[in-house]
Amino acid sequence: DAGVIQSPRHEVTEMGQEVTLRCKPISGHNSLFWYRQTMMRGLELLIYFNNNVPIDDSGMPEDRFSAKMPNASFSTLKIQPSEPRDSAVYFCASSLLEDIGELFFGEGSRLTVL
Amino acid sequence: RKEVEQDPGPFNVPEGATVAFNCTYSNSASQSFFWYRQDCRKEPKLLMSVYSSGNEDGRFTAQLNRASQYISLLIRDSKLSDSATYLCVVTGGSASKIIFGSGTRLSIRP
Repeated sequence: DAGVIQSPRHEVTEMGQEVTLRCKPISGHNSLFWYRQTMMRGLELLIYFNNNVPIDDSGMPEDRFSAKMPNASFSTLKIQPSEPRDSAVYFCASSLLEDIGELFFGEGSRLTVL
Repeated sequence: RKEVEQDPGPFNVPEGATVAFNCTYSNSASQSFFWYRQDCRKEPKLLMSVYSSGNEDGRFTAQLNRASQYISLLIRDSKLSDSATYLCVVTGGSASKIIFGSGTRLSIRP
């Protein structure tokens, strides 16, 4: 079975550019999570969706970040405009149940903003 | 105080040794507990759940101490392939309460 699929795996962009990260969760999973990982701050939850509906976006750093889940098999995380401090690995994860910590992570999108 | 705290390590131990590390949590209402493993430049992967009665999976043993609010992971007969960062996860009622610790780095030397 395919796991969580993320794209792109790596992105290098210049400050001010728009960045779009994509995620396909595991089929049948009801919850989808976007995390950001840096050395300094570890894994931070940005937003999560349950049944395609955003439930908690309190972790989204600021208005430059937005996330959508138009259907059960696709989600995007957009940063516009990007800044160097956004450089991090962005993970998408999905789970069968909303409130259980059994998450399945994608391989991550490593973002570098110059 | 952080909600979930782990000793960052690194723990550097010889192959074959037994190593243990703990993770403390601050919310006494926490409900579920897990250990994840993350290899360098890879995604976190679920290693094992932690049950109140303790549980074992091969060389790995996880335990929960609700009174003292910590979970532990014991690795026996450590292998070179056990080198990784181990993240504890504590949950409490909603997905936004899935809290990851910052991880403990383990390095097994030949």
